[in-house]
Order: sequence, then structure tokens, then C-alpha cells
Amino acid sequence: EAGVAQSPRYKIIEKRQSVAFWCNPISGHATLYWYQQILGQGPKLLIQFQNNGVVDDSQLPKDRFSAERLKGVDSTLKIQPAKLEDSAVYLCASSFSSGRGYSYNEQFFGPGTRLTVL
Amino acid sequence: GQQVMQIPQYQHVQEGEDFTTYCNSSTTLSNIQWYKQRPGGHPVFLIQLVKSGEVKKQKRLTFQFGEAKKNSSLHITATQTTDVGTYFCAGHGSGGGADGLTFGKGTHLIIQP
Repeated sequence: EAGVAQSPRYKIIEKRQSVAFWCNPISGHATLYWYQQILGQGPKLLIQFQNNGVVDDSQLPKDRFSAERLKGVDSTLKIQPAKLEDSAVYLCASSFSSGRGYSYNEQFFGPGTRLTVL
Repeated sequence: GQQVMQIPQYQHVQEGEDFTTYCNSSTTLSNIQWYKQRPGGHPVFLIQLVKSGEVKKQKRLTFQFGEAKKNSSLHITATQTTDVGTYFCAGHGSGGGADGLTFGKGTHLIIQP
């Protein structure tokens, strides 16, 4: 079974530039998550999708971050404009949904995109 | 908001010694999940606990969920070099809504051969 795919694996940008990350979840997983993991810390949930709808985006800095999952499969996360403090690993994860509108099942993580903002 | 704290932040052990990490939540949890992240890798799911007082074992790993569903622990017996990594606990709140998973900061396990 193929895992969660993410690209690019690494990205270096200047502050104030924009950047986009892509994620393709495990086939059949309705729930998709984007996390930000700053060095030495645990993953922080940015946004959670159930199919193509947003379930939780309470910790997403909406003035600069946006995410979409238009067809309910793959997803993109964008940062515009980037700040120095956005340097982190951006992890995408997916889980099988029990159909209740949210998922408490195990999450499968992709390899992440390491973003460096200079 | 919900906070999940883990201690210790770092743990150095000799190979063969036991290791324990503790997780505490500021609020009652619906469940607790444990993940392991190897250096340079991504988090990998280990186990989920749901019931108050639940204890689960996976070979040398023992996981516990507190009676009040606000704390948890992971104990590794006789550590091996393959156990190196960061162990995270993560939980969902008990509000019944679609709140996301909150991770602790993790415990970094360093093993000296």
C-alpha cells in the first residue's frame, strides 16, 4: 500500500516570498491533516479536512496560510508571504474516517517538507 | 486551549536499561495516541488508548491511560539501540466535536551502547 506522498521534500525561500506544498493521502482516507513541526517540538495541527470540507482550522494563521482540498483527495498548503518563523517541517497526514464527520483513528504521516525561510 | 505536556524532554539510558515517559493533559481526553519519530523521519503511530485505566502492551512497550483520562505513560523494558527516537503522546479533547489531535513536545530517547 502506498503511503502519504508529499512534495517537495525541501524548499528554501526568502522571507516575503510565497511557497506551496502538495500532499496526496493514502487512497480511501477521507481525513487529511496539515501539521507544522518546528525543530525540537511536537507537530502542531494547522488544518484538518474531511473529504473536501474543513473540519478544524483554528490554529491556521489565516492572514498568510491557506489550504485547499478541492476534489477531496490531494491537498495544497500555501504560505504567502513567508516569515522567518515559518521555518519548519510541514507534515501531511491522513486517516480512515469512520463516517462520523471526524476521525479518531491512527494517522499516517508523509515524509514532510522541510522549509527554510532566509 | 488544550495543552499536552511530556516529561522528561530528554532521557539518556544505557542499552538494556528501562525507560519511561509521562504525558499530562490540562483537560480530559477522549483518547491518547503514541507516536515514535526516528531522527530525520516522520511520526509513526504506535498505539491508541481509549478507556479509563487502560493498559496495553506491545512486546517490550507498555502503555497506560490514567483513570481520569488526563495522563498517560509509555514504559520500555530493556531498551535496545533500535528504540532511539522521539516519543510523542497526542490526544483529542473530550468535547465531542471535531477537535484535532494535540501533540506533546515529545521525549527524546538517547541510548548509549
